[in-house]
Amino acid sequence: NAGVTQTPKFQVLKTGQSMTLQCAQDMNHEYMSWYRQDPGMGLRLIHYSVGAGITDQGEVPNGYNVSRSTTEDFPLRLLSAAPSQTSVYFCASRVQGNEQFFGPGTRLTVL
Amino acid sequence: SQKIEQNSEALNIQEGKTATLTCNYTNYSPAYLQWYRQDPGRGPVFLLLIRENEKEKRKERLKVTFDTTLKQSLFHITASQPADSATYLCALDIGDDKIIFGKGTRLHILP
Repeated sequence: NAGVTQTPKFQVLKTGQSMTLQCAQDMNHEYMSWYRQDPGMGLRLIHYSVGAGITDQGEVPNGYNVSRSTTEDFPLRLLSAAPSQTSVYFCASRVQGNEQFFGPGTRLTVL
Repeated sequence: SQKIEQNSEALNIQEGKTATLTCNYTNYSPAYLQWYRQDPGRGPVFLLLIRENEKEKRKERLKVTFDTTLKQSLFHITASQPADSATYLCALDIGDDKIIFGKGTRLHILP
């Protein structure tokens, strides 16, 4: 099993550009989440999903959209990137009530 | 407001001693609490999960306690080794299927 995969590993955007961060898992986990990690801030929950077709907001959802059309994929969309969205983004998946498995992260810089 | 606090940003421990990390929370009644390890440039890796009806959990040199009255978890590494140096993250189930994290404690094991 590949576990949780994320693409791209690195990305540089200009302010106002849009992009999608990809996340996929092959463990048939119902639950998937997106976190961002900034120095001194720890991991903050952006959006999460408890199954295909179901998404909900986390702690810092503004500026991000998600959808969950399949169990395997949970893309994160930035519609109009801002410098404040410069961060490392982690995707995670789990079975309800159990450990989370994290991807390797995407390092995003917005100029 | 919602809050998870990990006792310190950084902790230095002499090799061979026991490292104790603290996670305190307010305004929650979590069904379970988790501890993760994160190395630089990598995603978090699950270590232990303890449920609200459990007082203590062990795994090799690791031990976690969970006091729902004090709203506190303690994470112990016995016989610490330089390879244990990493950032350790506490994570809480806060209901509605959300998992949120503390800011983490950077542990340095000194040879």
